[in-house]
Amino acid sequence: EVQLVESGGGLVQPGQSLRLSCAASGFTFDDFAMHWVRHLPGKGLEWVAGIGWKSGSIAYGDSVRGRFTISRDNSKRSLYLQMHSLRLDDTARYFCVKDLHATPSYFGSWGQGLQVTVS
Amino acid sequence: IELTQSPLSLTLSPGERATLLCRASRSFSDWLAWYQHRPGQSPRLLIFEVSQRADGIPARFSGSGSGTDFTLTINNLEPDDSAVYYCQQRHFWPLTFGGGTRLVI
Repeated sequence: EVQLVESGGGLVQPGQSLRLSCAASGFTFDDFAMHWVRHLPGKGLEWVAGIGWKSGSIAYGDSVRGRFTISRDNSKRSLYLQMHSLRLDDTARYFCVKDLHATPSYFGSWGQGLQVTVS
Repeated sequence: IELTQSPLSLTLSPGERATLLCRASRSFSDWLAWYQHRPGQSPRLLIFEVSQRADGIPARFSGSGSGTDFTLTINNLEPDDSAVYYCQQRHFWPLTFGGGTRLVI
C-alpha cells in the first residue's frame, strides 16, 4: 500500500522559510514522479511543484516559482519542498503526491496533507 | 491554460446521474484527469487520459470529451459521491486544475 507521510508544517510569519518533507513507502520510489499540491482555504486545488523520477524534470506553479524549491532523495525515499519568502496567500494544506508515471502527469496517490499557516 | 468547470454547484438525489463539465481555454487531446475531494479527506484520482478509470474506481464514473470540452459522468449517484470534483490537465506547463464543482447528494 502506498503511504506518503508529510512533515514540517506549521505557523510562520510572512517572509520566513519552511521546509516540508514527505516519507514514501509501499512502492518503488525511484520509478515515479512526485509532486506537492496544495488546497487553498475556501478555494480549490493548486499544483505547487513536480519532479521527475531522476530529478531531470522539475517544474513549478506560477505563484511559487523563484521562491520554492522541490527536491528528492531517492536513497531516502523522500520528497522535499523548501519554501522561502512565504506570503499570506501561501497558507494552505500541502499534500505530497505520487504521480502515475515517471515524468509529471497525473496525481495518483495522496498523503494526508499538512497545514502551513503564514500569519 | 485555464480550465473552467460548470456548474459551480449541483444538488441531485440518490440514483440520479450527474454530468460535470470542464472547458479548456486551449484545445488539447487526451491529457485530462478528474479527481474527487471529499471534506476532510485527501483528493482521489478518478479518471485519467480523459476516460481511463483509476484503480478501484467503479464503472459508475466515466469520462469523455476532446478538444476544449470534457465531461465527467457519474451514474446511479450515492450519498458518498458528495464531494468537490476537479479536472486537471497535463498537456501544458504548469499543470493546472479547474476551479471545481461541488456535488451534493
